[in-house]
Amino acid sequence: DAGVTQSPTHLIKTRGQQVTLRCSPKSGHDTVSWYQQALGQGPQFIFQYYEEEERQRGNFPDRFSGHQFPNYSSELNVNALLLGDSALYLCASSRRQDPRPYNYGYTFGSGTRLTVV
Amino acid sequence: GQNIDQPTEMTATEGAIVQINCTYQTSGFNGLFWYQQHAGEAPTFLSYNVLDGLEEKGRFSSFLSRSKGYSYLLLKELQMKDSASYLCAVRDDGNAGNMLTFGGGTRLMVKP
Repeated sequence: DAGVTQSPTHLIKTRGQQVTLRCSPKSGHDTVSWYQQALGQGPQFIFQYYEEEERQRGNFPDRFSGHQFPNYSSELNVNALLLGDSALYLCASSRRQDPRPYNYGYTFGSGTRLTVV
Repeated sequence: GQNIDQPTEMTATEGAIVQINCTYQTSGFNGLFWYQQHAGEAPTFLSYNVLDGLEEKGRFSSFLSRSKGYSYLLLKELQMKDSASYLCAVRDDGNAGNMLTFGGGTRLMVKP
């Protein structure tokens, strides 16, 4: 059973460019959440997608946008990259209606390390 | 707003016991999670508490007091491989949205 897969694993971009990160959720999961984790910090919630719609959003500017596809996979897009966008971007999947409370946590992917120069 | 606090760093000796504390102030509460994260890797689930009390799982235990907004993770018989960051996260969504808010993480260093 495949877990959460993210691509690419590493990426270097120049200030002002645009980037697209991709995530395939764990089999059986229908909800995808995206987090930004700066070095030495905890993950910060960007947004969550369910049924191809953005359901919740954290305190991130509109430069951060996303999409969810019918197969539950998701993309995170960041426009007009800033140096401060350099971070590990984590995708986490879950099943929205799971009767087992332990599984109300997430399954995380290994992340995409984005470096903006 | 949401506020989750945990110590930035801790050091302990192999074979010892360490307790990592977490305090939270959130607009809602529907469960507290602990995750382990090795450098450069994905966070992995350790424990979940939604009711007051202690949950034990092998060498790891987690405690919750909802009235105090307090939790701790207890690691026994420390091993070198336990050197990692430990993340406290609160599920504050009473619906099925399943959004977790994380603390800054505690970096644990286990020394021989």
